[in-house]
Amino acid sequence: GQNIDQPTEMTATEGAIVQINCTYQTSGFNGLFWYQQHAGEAPTFLSYNVLDGLEEKGRFSSFLSRSKGYSYLLLKELQMKDSASYLCAVMGPGANNLFFGTGTRLTVIP
Amino acid sequence: GAVVSQHPSWVICKSGTSVKIECRSLDFQATTMFWYRQFPKQSLMLMATSNEGSKATYEQGVEKDKFLINHASLTLSTLTVTSAHPEDSSFYICSARRGTSGTPGPFYEQYFGPGTRLTVT
Repeated sequence: GQNIDQPTEMTATEGAIVQINCTYQTSGFNGLFWYQQHAGEAPTFLSYNVLDGLEEKGRFSSFLSRSKGYSYLLLKELQMKDSASYLCAVMGPGANNLFFGTGTRLTVIP
Repeated sequence: GAVVSQHPSWVICKSGTSVKIECRSLDFQATTMFWYRQFPKQSLMLMATSNEGSKATYEQGVEKDKFLINHASLTLSTLTVTSAHPEDSSFYICSARRGTSGTPGPFYEQYFGPGTRLTVT
C-alpha cells in the first residue's frame, strides 16, 4: 500500500522561504507530484519529480530522494496568494493512480 | 491546453434522489479519467479510475452500485451518485490524463476539473 505524510499546517512570513516536507512509503514508485489547492477549488499542478535531485521552476522548487522516500517543496519570496494547501502525491505501481497525502495548509502572514 | 470542466459546479439534492456529474476534457482526448472525493479539510481520496469504453475500477470501500461511472467517449466521463444520502455530501473532483502507457513523465500528469460540491439534504 501507500503511506504519505506531510505536516498538517505551517505558517510563514511574506517574503520568506518555506520548505514543506513529504515522506512516503509505497510498494511501487513512478514519480512524485506537488499540487497547490486553494479552498473550494481543484488542485493545480506545481511540479513532478521522478529522478533524485532538485527541480526548479520560478519561485517553486521540488526535491526528491528516492532512497529516503522523501521530497520537499520549497517556496521562495512568499506572497500572500501562496496561502493554500499543498498536496504531495505519489504515483504508484503501474503508473496509473495518484495517492495523495493529507496536504499541508500554509498560511502566509504579513 | 489541457482544460477539464465539470458540470454542475454545485448541486443541492434531496435524500434518496440521484445526481449526475459530468467531467469533460475540452482540448485533449483523455485516455483515463479519475474521480476523487474530498471531505472538508481532508485530502483527495481516489474513488475510481475509468478508461474509455471499459468498466471503471473502483477503490476499496467505494460502492460501485452507488457511484456509477460511465466513460462513453475520450472526452466525457460521468459520475452518478444514486440514492444520495447526507453522508455523500462532499466535493467531487475529476481528473483526466492524456497519453498512453510508456515512460512515466508529463504524459502521466493529471489535469483536474474545478470540482462539484454536492450537498444532500
